[in-house]
Amino acid sequence: AQSVTQLGSHVSVSEGALVLLRCNYSSSVPPYLFWYVQYPNQGLQLLLKYTSAATLVKGINGFEAEFKKSETSFHLTKPSAHMSDAAEYFCAVTDSGGYQKVTFGTGTKLQVIP
Amino acid sequence: DADVTQTPRNRITKTGKRIMLECSQTKGHDRMYWYRQDPGLGLRLIYYSFDVKDINKGEISDGYSVSRQAQAKFSLSLESAIPNQTALYFCATSDSVKVADTQYFGPGTRLTVL
Repeated sequence: AQSVTQLGSHVSVSEGALVLLRCNYSSSVPPYLFWYVQYPNQGLQLLLKYTSAATLVKGINGFEAEFKKSETSFHLTKPSAHMSDAAEYFCAVTDSGGYQKVTFGTGTKLQVIP
Repeated sequence: DADVTQTPRNRITKTGKRIMLECSQTKGHDRMYWYRQDPGLGLRLIYYSFDVKDINKGEISDGYSVSRQAQAKFSLSLESAIPNQTALYFCATSDSVKVADTQYFGPGTRLTVL
């Protein structure tokens, strides 16, 4: 069985401050990990994904995430928040066996304060 | 034109009514999924289909049924709608050929059951 836990359902940061959204995973096999973003009134879209190549993954809009096996974590960061980053972010996991059924976390809403 | 479309975008119905949500995709993907999103619960998988002849239950399939009419079309039905099926419903697609392929989401259908 696989699962992800996102710590903090709501996170607020000031514009220009560091963004850190936390995700811990559980998987019985080596995982593939994803971060998706959902802007208001839209579907989800991929930010970045980890597929066992480089442990530091760079995504769109200046976001990146680091896979840490020892900590079973895949936290999302961005050095400087922009107002347009306000959205809900979902961490997700699938197993590397090719089955590709994805399990999503409960989401973290990011508020950016001007 | 959008790659994954959902109709209707909004629907209000009454308890006991049968309702169908439709999803079409032009991405040529073989895999399609139906999720529901509830505040604080993230996305939960209702049904998924890995090809036209392969349909599987997800974690919350009770009260729902699906039909894969063609590779490009995947419909979700609520046989007798109840108020706790009020939610935001998303269709998604992915490509089985690609390892850890991205899921591509439609814009969602907001369903209210009175």
